[in-house]
Amino acid sequence: DQQVKQNSPSLSVQEGRISILNCDYTNSMFDYFLWYKKYPAEGPTFLISISSIKDKNEDGRFTVFLNKSAKHLSLHIVPSQPGDSAVYFCAARVGSSNTGKLIFGQGTTLQVKP
Amino acid sequence: NAGVMQNPRHLVRRRGQEARLRCSPMKGHSHVYWYRQLPEEGLKFMVYLQKENIIDESGMPKERFSAEFPKEGPSILRIQQVVRGDSAAYFCASSLNPDTEAFFGQGTRLTVV
Repeated sequence: DQQVKQNSPSLSVQEGRISILNCDYTNSMFDYFLWYKKYPAEGPTFLISISSIKDKNEDGRFTVFLNKSAKHLSLHIVPSQPGDSAVYFCAARVGSSNTGKLIFGQGTTLQVKP
Repeated sequence: NAGVMQNPRHLVRRRGQEARLRCSPMKGHSHVYWYRQLPEEGLKFMVYLQKENIIDESGMPKERFSAEFPKEGPSILRIQQVVRGDSAAYFCASSLNPDTEAFFGQGTRLTVV
């Protein structure tokens, strides 16, 4: 039962262009979404989050968009840099559960080519 | 910079042995989470603990796995009688409270031979 899905295992973009990573979810009780970035042999690093009451959150080169009706969110990175090459995980949380438990997608490996 | 500290980074155990994974949360954090990442998969929630209490263990296998977060000292994830299928990366995260972002440690890579 995969409640959070990242259907693209990998994505390759040219340096300076936009990277768009997608995530779909099935549980309408999710009310908070996060993106994490992970390098090999390291733990995930928090990137950006969005509450379900918003449809957009921006932080520097990173913007997350949320479409609640479609149960879809996306992470935009612009301009992409070679250092952005990593695995990106989408995660969701059920706010009412009060446990902080996160449900992760399978991850998308982003490669930014110089 | 006292981030989330996990040790050991790598652990090799023979089938049937016990594995103990340790996690020291960030300073001031009293909420600890354990996740497991199997090869080619995302992170799967295992357990959520506060000091001396297990709050949510819905992701823990029913047998052989246990976790604790004592009043003093690190959180411990214990796997008894390890099997090959336990080979994975185990990540610990901590947060100030359940509503704030969780910060992850670098993980412990368990290999069962």
